[in-house]
Amino acid sequence: GAGVSQSPSNKVTEKGKDVELRCDPISGHTALYWYRQRLGQGLEFLIYFQGNSAPDKSGLPSDRFSAERTGESVSTLTIQRTQQEDSAVYLCASSLRSGRGFTDTQYFGPGTRLTVL
Amino acid sequence: DQQVKQNSPSLSVQEGRISILNCDYTNSMFDYFLWYKKYPAEGPTFLISISSIKDKNEDGRFTVFLNKSAKHLSLHIVPSQPGDSAVYFCAASRSNDYKLSFGAGTTVTVRA
Repeated sequence: GAGVSQSPSNKVTEKGKDVELRCDPISGHTALYWYRQRLGQGLEFLIYFQGNSAPDKSGLPSDRFSAERTGESVSTLTIQRTQQEDSAVYLCASSLRSGRGFTDTQYFGPGTRLTVL
Repeated sequence: DQQVKQNSPSLSVQEGRISILNCDYTNSMFDYFLWYKKYPAEGPTFLISISSIKDKNEDGRFTVFLNKSAKHLSLHIVPSQPGDSAVYFCAASRSNDYKLSFGAGTTVTVRA
């Protein structure tokens, strides 16, 4: 079956412009996550969506970052007025979130490499 | 504040030998640990996990060891194969928590 897909795979933008990144999770996965990986660092949690619950936005680094999810499908991560420090690979993951009492396996997309000039 | 640390950014090993990757964590509330493998231009894929009620979990050539008192875990790959060349990420969480804390990764190169 299809895995998690993300678009675009690469995005180069100028400082101050807005960008929108898209994630298509695995069909049937109710949980969706966004992470950021800056050069030489680990994956950094940004935001979590689960069904119709309010998203956990605790990892968003500033109010320039926002994300939405349509039902239990597509999600978009928007970065307004991009800065050079926003340059990173942005990864999306989804999981079943079965609630069986253990951490669900997260399946990752290939990421979007964002470069802010 | 990085709660999961992989202090070796890279590891080179000869094909057929053992690869040992190390990971340290600082948060004593973590009780579930995972290793992910990542090839270039692909997302990380789940490799193996361990709960804190165990100190070892084995899956084929991959074994993860957990030392809770030292807040340390390691991944052993035996024998190493060229297809194992990838970046390996250690991750940790509290069980049934969706937030994973990741290390910075270790790049493994398996030499023929």
